[in-house]
Amino acid sequence: GENVEQHPSTLSVQEGDSAVIKCTYSDSASNYFPWYKQELGKRPQLIIDIRSNVGEKKDQRIAVTLNKTAKHFSLHITETQPEDSAVYFCAALNQAGTALIFGKGTTLSVSS
Amino acid sequence: GAVVSQHPSWVICKSGTSVKIECRSLDFQATTMFWYRQFPKQSLMLMATSNEGSKATYEQGVEKDKFLINHASLTLSTLTVTSAHPEDSSFYICSARDWTSHNEQFFGPGTRLTVL
Repeated sequence: GENVEQHPSTLSVQEGDSAVIKCTYSDSASNYFPWYKQELGKRPQLIIDIRSNVGEKKDQRIAVTLNKTAKHFSLHITETQPEDSAVYFCAALNQAGTALIFGKGTTLSVSS
Repeated sequence: GAVVSQHPSWVICKSGTSVKIECRSLDFQATTMFWYRQFPKQSLMLMATSNEGSKATYEQGVEKDKFLINHASLTLSTLTVTSAHPEDSSFYICSARDWTSHNEQFFGPGTRLTVL
């Protein structure tokens, strides 16, 4: 089945710096790649997603890039703020194209 | 976006008892819902795909007789943890897919299960 690898597991940055989180997936048929932010004890919140027909998508300080050939996608957060501190998960659709398979998560800490 | 609710938000039970968790899509119909389990400081692990009117599809390693799933209507799926044991203690999160939103999944707030 689909396998999603995510790196790094932890990331510490200074306020104002950029943060990049990378994921790879195994199923070349996957065509939907969302990113979620999860705060402790809360549900995952969708922050951005990308479909296989585009290579990049941006929403204010957040951007996602997709390289289908290499089967990897990345989350870019610019001008980080302390409130960006959370666990971030990438995901890809499973082989059946129904359920999301999640990466192991990245704990982002932004210090002021 | 679409809203998914879960009930209860937390539950404590004794070992050997059964616990039922409800997942509802409040403002859309969900033919498919998903159940995930999340242990502390770990990722969300897909347990099963719940299909309205048919049997759930379980992921490898998930015991279907222990985690009973029922999806009797287009807005409700239930997960029953039978004969719960301390190792079943976890955060259980459901999600539902709104087909009008092009694959986007909406998550419930989660249920914290503690088995004593």
